[in-house]
Amino acid sequence: TQLLEQSPQFLSIQEGENLTVYCNSSSVFSSLQWYRQEPGEGPVLLVTVVTGGEVKKLKRLTFQFGDARKDSSLHITAAQPGDTGLYLCAGESSNSGYALNFGKGTSLLVTP
Amino acid sequence: KAGVTQTPRYLIKTRGQQVTLSCSPISGHRSVSWYQQTPGQGLQFLFEYFSETQRNKGNFPGRFSGRQFSNSRSEMNVSTLELGDSALYLCASSILAGGADTQYFGPGTRLTVL
Repeated sequence: TQLLEQSPQFLSIQEGENLTVYCNSSSVFSSLQWYRQEPGEGPVLLVTVVTGGEVKKLKRLTFQFGDARKDSSLHITAAQPGDTGLYLCAGESSNSGYALNFGKGTSLLVTP
Repeated sequence: KAGVTQTPRYLIKTRGQQVTLSCSPISGHRSVSWYQQTPGQGLQFLFEYFSETQRNKGNFPGRFSGRQFSNSRSEMNVSTLELGDSALYLCASSILAGGADTQYFGPGTRLTVL
C-alpha cells in the first residue's frame, strides 16, 4: 500500500517554466521530506518540513506542508536543466514505526 | 567526510541463489536503513538497524534479512532469489534512529536476477 501519492508521475517542460509537484496522503505525518535523485545515485535530501502550514524556500524551490500535515507541494520557479531528476516525497509517522514512507516520485525533465 | 558507500555497485545472480550486500555508513552515524527501489513500487523500506539492533522492519518476506556490526557497517542478505528481487538496493545512514533525522543515501547496489 502506497501511503503517499505523488503527481504528476512524469513532467517534461522547457527551461524557464514554473511547475508544481504534489504529494498527498490520507495519513497524518509528523514530518515530511523531499528528495531529488539523479540517475545512478541515491536520493539527496532537499528539505524537511514538520509544522502544518510551514513554507520553506530553497533558492528557486518552495516547499509547503499542508495545514493538516497530510499533503505537501514543491514549486519550482524558472526551471533549469539542472533541475532534471526524480523528486521524491517521504513521510514519517507513528503508524509506520517512524520509518520513512516514500511516494513513487515525479520524474522531471527540463529541456533547454 | 566520506559519504555512504555500498558494495558491490552491480550484481547479476540467477534464481535460487543468495546474495549479500554491504553498506558502510558515514563515520559517526549509528543508524542504517535499507530500501528497495523498483520502477513499479518506488522506494520501499526494508529494515533499520541502530546500534546493532533491528529497530524497524518493512513488509518483506523472511528471505530478506540484515545485520549491523559494532562499527555500524551493515549487510543485507537475500536468499532464494526470485526474478522480482531485481532492483536497486539503497542504504541510508543517520546519526539518530527513526526517519526524522536526516538520512544520507549511498549510490545503491543494482541487483539483476536472471
